[in-house]
Amino acid sequence: QSVLTQPPSVSGSPGQRVTISCSGSGSDIGAGFDVHWYQQLPGTAPKLLIYGTTRRPSDVPDRFSGSKSGTSASLTITGLQAEDEADYYCQSYDSGLSVLFGGGTKLTVL
Amino acid sequence: QEELQESGPGLVKPSETLSLTCTVSGGSIGIYYWSWIRQPPGKGLEWIGYISYRGATKYNPSLSSRVSISLDTPKNQFSLEMTSVTAADTAVYYCAKDALGGHDPWGQGTLVIVSS
Repeated sequence: QSVLTQPPSVSGSPGQRVTISCSGSGSDIGAGFDVHWYQQLPGTAPKLLIYGTTRRPSDVPDRFSGSKSGTSASLTITGLQAEDEADYYCQSYDSGLSVLFGGGTKLTVL
Repeated sequence: QEELQESGPGLVKPSETLSLTCTVSGGSIGIYYWSWIRQPPGKGLEWIGYISYRGATKYNPSLSSRVSISLDTPKNQFSLEMTSVTAADTAVYYCAKDALGGHDPWGQGTLVIVSS
């Protein structure tokens, strides 16, 4: 069981906005540690999508954004596209600097 | 931007030791942190541990009694050893750089099957 909790699945139609949540605790996200997000397309390695809670690597479209409030973080995708169908994982750290992953969320584009 | 490549046996017998190496090209292993992460078939990501450029290690508490990560700076490689493997250790094993700004890049991953 993952320390960071994500919904197993979310879905949306093309053009819509979807949000994936990542719930932690006062010992990890709530303690101020950054949250990172990864996109994993089928059969490929995960790719860094959001780092430092809100920052995007230069090759990631601005349709992807990250935020944090209290002990939870969120990944929001606007203008959903078929190519966004993938698994998404959040990641943070605990007070001992162990790496924590969320259980992953499967995004289906209807 | 660095490139990472995992290598090692794809089949390991139960109770034996799993050994993998990650070769880093296009950059120096002498900075940042270097992680091993695995993904059982059809399941999510599990962090195994990391080693710093100075050789300091941190392991997932659930695996720490069986795991060791080491650094070979002259070869620009880092390695994973996991002892007493069982079928539950069957997974795709990834190596990745952790600059504390997320894991990036990742290797392509290597499937390790534990079976007799």
